[in-house]
Amino acid sequence: AQSVTQPDIHITVSEGASLELRCNYSYGATPYLFWYVQSPGQGLQLLLKYFSGDTLVQGIKGFEAEFKRSQSSFNLRKPSVHWSDAAEYFCAVGAPTGRRALTFGSGTRLQVQP
Amino acid sequence: GAGVSQSPSNKVTEKGKDVELRCDPISGHTALYWYRQSLGQGLEFLIYFQGNSAPDKSGLPSDRFSAERTGGSVSTLTIQRTQQEDSAVYLCASSLAGTANTGELFFGEGSRLTVL
Repeated sequence: AQSVTQPDIHITVSEGASLELRCNYSYGATPYLFWYVQSPGQGLQLLLKYFSGDTLVQGIKGFEAEFKRSQSSFNLRKPSVHWSDAAEYFCAVGAPTGRRALTFGSGTRLQVQP
Repeated sequence: GAGVSQSPSNKVTEKGKDVELRCDPISGHTALYWYRQSLGQGLEFLIYFQGNSAPDKSGLPSDRFSAERTGGSVSTLTIQRTQQEDSAVYLCASSLAGTANTGELFFGEGSRLTVL
C-alpha cells in the first residue's frame, strides 16, 4: 500500500528566507510523486511532479523538489519565500500501475512572517 | 466554465438526512476523483472514475456513501443518513489522464458539508 508522511504540520518562516517542506513516502518501488498547494479560498494546484529521470525537478512559482530514493523522501524547497507563498502544501504519491488514485499526505501549513 | 465546478459550495444538514454533492469536471477530462478533507487532516481518497466506471472505490468509508457519473461528465456523490463525522470539505478533481496516477489533477473549490 502507498502512503505519505508530512512530519511538519505547521511551519513559519520569514519572508526572504529559504524553505524546505519534508515529505516521506512508503511504496515498494519508485512511485510517482507530486506536490500540490492549496491557497486560502482556492482549489489545490499542482506545483511539480516526478516520474523518473533527473531527481531534481523544477516547478512553478520557483519551487523545486528532490527525490532521494535512499531516504524515501521528496522534499520541497524554495530559496526565497514570498508572502504570497503562505498556503497549505500537500505531498502525494501515485503507484506506477495506474489503477489507484493519488494518496495525499496530511499537509503542511506555511505561514510567512514579514 | 473553464474549471471544475462543485455545488453546493456550502451545505448544512441535520443528522440522518441524505445529501447530494455535484461535480462538473473540465470538459474532455476522462478521469474524475472525489476526496474528502477534514479539519486538520489531509485529503482522504473516496472514489475514482474513468469515464462512467469506477475502477477504484476503495476509499468510500461506508455503504452510506455512493457516487455515480453519467455521460462521462457530471458526477454526484450521495451520502445517506448523514452523521456528524461526515462533516468535511468534499473535493472533486478531474484529469485528462487515462490512468489514475499520472495526470495533473484539477481541483474544484469543494463542497463544505456540516452535519448538525
